[in-house]
Amino acid sequence: QVQLQESGPGLVKPSETLSLTCTISSASVNSPGYYWSWIRQTPGKELEWIGYIYYNGNTNYSPSLKSRVTISADPSKNQLSLKLISVTTADTAVYYCARGKGGPEDYWGQGTLVTVSS
Amino acid sequence: EIVLTQSPATLSSSPGERATLSCRASQIITSFLAWYQQKPGQAPRLLIYDTSNRATAVPARFSGSGSGTDFTLTISSLEPEDFAVYYCQLRYNWPPRVTFGQGTRLEIK
Repeated sequence: QVQLQESGPGLVKPSETLSLTCTISSASVNSPGYYWSWIRQTPGKELEWIGYIYYNGNTNYSPSLKSRVTISADPSKNQLSLKLISVTTADTAVYYCARGKGGPEDYWGQGTLVTVSS
Repeated sequence: EIVLTQSPATLSSSPGERATLSCRASQIITSFLAWYQQKPGQAPRLLIYDTSNRATAVPARFSGSGSGTDFTLTISSLEPEDFAVYYCQLRYNWPPRVTFGQGTRLEIK
């Protein structure tokens, strides 16, 4: 059974960088054909796609976040990472990592709450 | 950018009833529409992909349909565990993008 686990600081100050890690079990981050997403859910429960990275390292980002976000993968650790710079309170959300292949994401992590506050 | 609008925002129904949830796109879509179910404190669960295909282990009472701008998730006979929030999702290949509807809360009447 594929498992994904997000981790990282639960509290980030405004203007700083949000950094999260997603540890993957029973799947490989560089398995051909797969992609790995970051998606967040606001306090109002809206789901917002952040971006994804393909098994070959290619990335696509949401236009609204593209200037601030970086998604990368570390095959040696079988992990994904998310970096979001210059955060504001609007970036407060539950952050999920998820896996897909040729279609919508079918495996999701449990999510991690990140609060942006001074 | 395509916007997905779900209706109703809240649907009150009883176990055993049929539930119909709508997802309308702001323009005709030819890409892939999916439906997710989310229960409190849990991640979204994939129910339907490519408009009408059930994901693994999804009960047959869930079905998806639609084309163009109008898409529907139907639950033929509600079970107690079906009361949750449902989201539609659109993925398009170019430009690569994913967008979600705002969700429909299905609550027990």
